[in-house]
Amino acid sequence: ETGVTQSPTHLIKTRGQQVTLRCSSQSGHNTVSWYQQALGQGPQFIFQYYREEENGRGNFPPRFSGLQFPNYSSELNVNALELDDSALYLCASSYLAGGRNNEQFFGPGTRLTVL
Amino acid sequence: AQSVTQLDSQVPVFEEAPVELRCNYSSSVSVYLFWYVQYPNQGLQLLLKYLSGSTLVKGINGFEAEFNKSQTSFHLRKPSVHISDTAEYFCAVSDRSNTGKLIFGQGTTLQVKP
Repeated sequence: ETGVTQSPTHLIKTRGQQVTLRCSSQSGHNTVSWYQQALGQGPQFIFQYYREEENGRGNFPPRFSGLQFPNYSSELNVNALELDDSALYLCASSYLAGGRNNEQFFGPGTRLTVL
Repeated sequence: AQSVTQLDSQVPVFEEAPVELRCNYSSSVSVYLFWYVQYPNQGLQLLLKYLSGSTLVKGINGFEAEFNKSQTSFHLRKPSVHISDTAEYFCAVSDRSNTGKLIFGQGTTLQVKP
């Protein structure tokens, strides 16, 4: 059973650019959630994708968007990057069934630096 | 809405000593409670969770936590720590909705000294 994987590991961008981060969910999972962890802070929920549609969103602007593919993998896209977007981006997969979302398993994260 | 407060940003402790990491939460609805550990440059690993039932929950690596509904607390304990327990620890709550989205505290750095 493979765990949650994310790519790339590290990324450096300049302000105003766009970035795409990728996540492969754990085998058997159908839901992917994305979190942003700023330095010295706890992770904050960005959004969740279930059956290729957004299933809940945190307090993040529309320039944060995502996709989920038929194989349940997911992308996080951030447009018009700002310096404050520098953070560790964590992906978590889980299995949603019967209206209940079970334990989330986290990937190692992508460290994004915006200069 | 829910919120989580971790009462200590850093907890230094000597090896083989007991430790308690404190967590309080606020919520108008019933919640699930979690503790995660994060080692340097890694993602989050689940230590333990409280969903229902017994208020004393045992997790991995010898950790346990007690859910106290009246005090809205979920403190993490270990009777004897090791150097390898040095890490960042996060308390989190979920509002039992179908997203299961996690609301995290600010984290507590556990520093185990030899």
